[in-house]
Amino acid sequence: GAVVSQHPSWVICKSGTSVKIECRSLDFQATTMFWYRQFPKQSLMLMATSNEGSKATYEQGVEKDKFLINHASLTLSTLTVTSAHPEDSSFYICSAPTGTGTDTQYFGPGTRLTVL
Amino acid sequence: GESVGLHLPTLSVQEGDNSIINCAYSNSASDYFIWYKQESGKGPQFIIDIRSNMDKRQGQRVTVLLNKTVKHLSLQIAATQPGDSAVYFCAENIQGGKLIFGQGTELSVKP
Repeated sequence: GAVVSQHPSWVICKSGTSVKIECRSLDFQATTMFWYRQFPKQSLMLMATSNEGSKATYEQGVEKDKFLINHASLTLSTLTVTSAHPEDSSFYICSAPTGTGTDTQYFGPGTRLTVL
Repeated sequence: GESVGLHLPTLSVQEGDNSIINCAYSNSASDYFIWYKQESGKGPQFIIDIRSNMDKRQGQRVTVLLNKTVKHLSLQIAATQPGDSAVYFCAENIQGGKLIFGQGTELSVKP
């Protein structure tokens, strides 16, 4: 099946710093990618839709100035958590539809962010 | 005091038994549904999907049932194995690939 990768797999940072997370589709092109956040023992919550060539669209309650999304190419989307605080500590996961005429989406392995 | 949202429903089954995991979805206009398996520290893994014009679909050892009348999905796993232990999420495609996930069920398989 299609493969989506994320980098880094985990990151620890100090409060107030910014962290960039990459999401790549390895064997297919994705004009759209999605970013989710997952707190421990909870479900995945959609944060935003990353669109190649245009601005990301954010879900209600997600601060676009805090979670910067850039869809740099057809295989790469980045999520930057700016001025991170401990409450931003979470598991961040991206997904991408394969665009093969189905709605099947593949998820990345996730990035564990810990803000001290 | 009790913490809201920190307790996943759990299902414990004996190895070899069949498992049934249930899910309620919210949007009657949703036309595509997916079941995902998530192991600890990993991203969700696609298991099986179903479109709203169907009420049943079978895969290898898994079956998904869809009841649109009551907005209910179920995932049946036959001959459950220890490797099936994970958290299972249903998801509904609401618009253009956006997925809304259910709360999840933690499946524990006893050898």
